[in-house]
Amino acid sequence: SQTIHQWPATLVQPVGSPLSLECTVEGTSNPNLYWYRQAAGRGLQLLFYSVGIGQISSEVPQNLSASRPQDRQFILSSKKLLLSDSGFYLCAWSGASSFWVTEAFFGQGTRLTVV
Amino acid sequence: SQQGEEDPQALSIQEGENATMNCSYKTSINNLQWYRQNSGRGLVHLILIRSNEREKHSGRLRVTLDTSKKSSSLLITASRAADTASYFCATVLNYGGSQGNLIFGKGTKLSVKP
Repeated sequence: SQTIHQWPATLVQPVGSPLSLECTVEGTSNPNLYWYRQAAGRGLQLLFYSVGIGQISSEVPQNLSASRPQDRQFILSSKKLLLSDSGFYLCAWSGASSFWVTEAFFGQGTRLTVV
Repeated sequence: SQQGEEDPQALSIQEGENATMNCSYKTSINNLQWYRQNSGRGLVHLILIRSNEREKHSGRLRVTLDTSKKSSSLLITASRAADTASYFCATVLNYGGSQGNLIFGKGTKLSVKP
């Protein structure tokens, strides 16, 4: 069965420090991968998505970047964190067998607090 | 920008009652999905309805889609305290040439009191 791992669960980082959040998927090949951010009490904002290794699309300009070094690995990074980067970050994957996205599977999220 | 907007933002009901949440969207879609999120956790997929479908059922869940009004509703019948969570609609846009992405609304926070 397919599983998605996202870590760490919580993270407290000082302003200006770097960030690396990792997400891996097991049990499927060539998934679509997504990073979302959720501010407190708000909906999910799509940050990045990837349809294949090295293929990253950014939905909003920001202080963050994403990379997909392997088929089932998706990394969210920042060189220097800002206070506004605080939030709940969610990784997700969906099957690429159909042309349009169907069901998406989410990791448990990383609560990032920038202090 | 947000594609879907849920209504109401918050809903409080008694156990056993039905809960109805609505979602409106702006542009043509391929499909619309509903997700549930328990506090501080990831999202769980509940149900998907395609643009050529009008109604779908899954257990105590009933979803309707009206593409002419660009709206969908999620009905949870005979609610339980365990249904307490936030519910999000997500749309997949119907543009050709690329795989669509899931665009989420802001969610409805449902509280079911025992």
